Amino acid sequence: AQKVTQAQTEISVVEKEDVTLDCVYETRDTTYYLFWYKQPPSGELVFLIRRNSFDEQNEISGRYSWNFQKSTSSFNFTITASQVVDSAVYFCALSERGNAGNMLTFGGGTRLMVKP
Amino acid sequence: DADVTQTPRNRITKTGKRIMLECSQTKGHDRMYWYRQDPGLGLRLIYYSFDVKDINKGEISDGYSVSRQAQAKFSLSLESAIPNQTALYFCATSDFPATYNEQFFGPGTRLTVL
Repeated sequence: AQKVTQAQTEISVVEKEDVTLDCVYETRDTTYYLFWYKQPPSGELVFLIRRNSFDEQNEISGRYSWNFQKSTSSFNFTITASQVVDSAVYFCALSERGNAGNMLTFGGGTRLMVKP
Repeated sequence: DADVTQTPRNRITKTGKRIMLECSQTKGHDRMYWYRQDPGLGLRLIYYSFDVKDINKGEISDGYSVSRQAQAKFSLSLESAIPNQTALYFCATSDFPATYNEQFFGPGTRLTVL
């Protein structure tokens, strides 16, 4: 069974601080996919990144970076020089390749508040 | 135009009422999903459909039913709404085979049951 844990339910930082959102997952599949979504106060889900289990390269996109470590089953998300617009709920999700339904399992989310 | 649309976007109803949430997609995907979001619990799968004749229960299907009227339409019904069904509901679609199991989400429907 697949499981995703986001232990940080809420994080508060001051603008320009760096912040890391943790994601730990469990899976028995050898091939799987990990995702991060952003949910701003307006409520929609914004896709941020997908990572395949066979690709452990870290990724950077502007102020965003992701650290994927299979050895610790973690897929952490770092925002550098945070801004007020980064305030949102962030979800980590997992889908196993062997899951016939393409089901996504979500973590409980981390609410990030960036104060000016 | 949005690829996955949901109607209504917001709905307030009373306990015991029947309500239907609708989802339409123009992505041409075979697979469609309904999720429910509650604070601290992330999104949980209610029902999913592989095609018009194939509907499956998800993690939390009790109290809900669905109808897949066409490839592009997937409706979620609450036969007799109760307050603990107050939540944010998302519809999603997925292609098959999906290269990376990606799902594409609608904007969400905020439902309040009084």
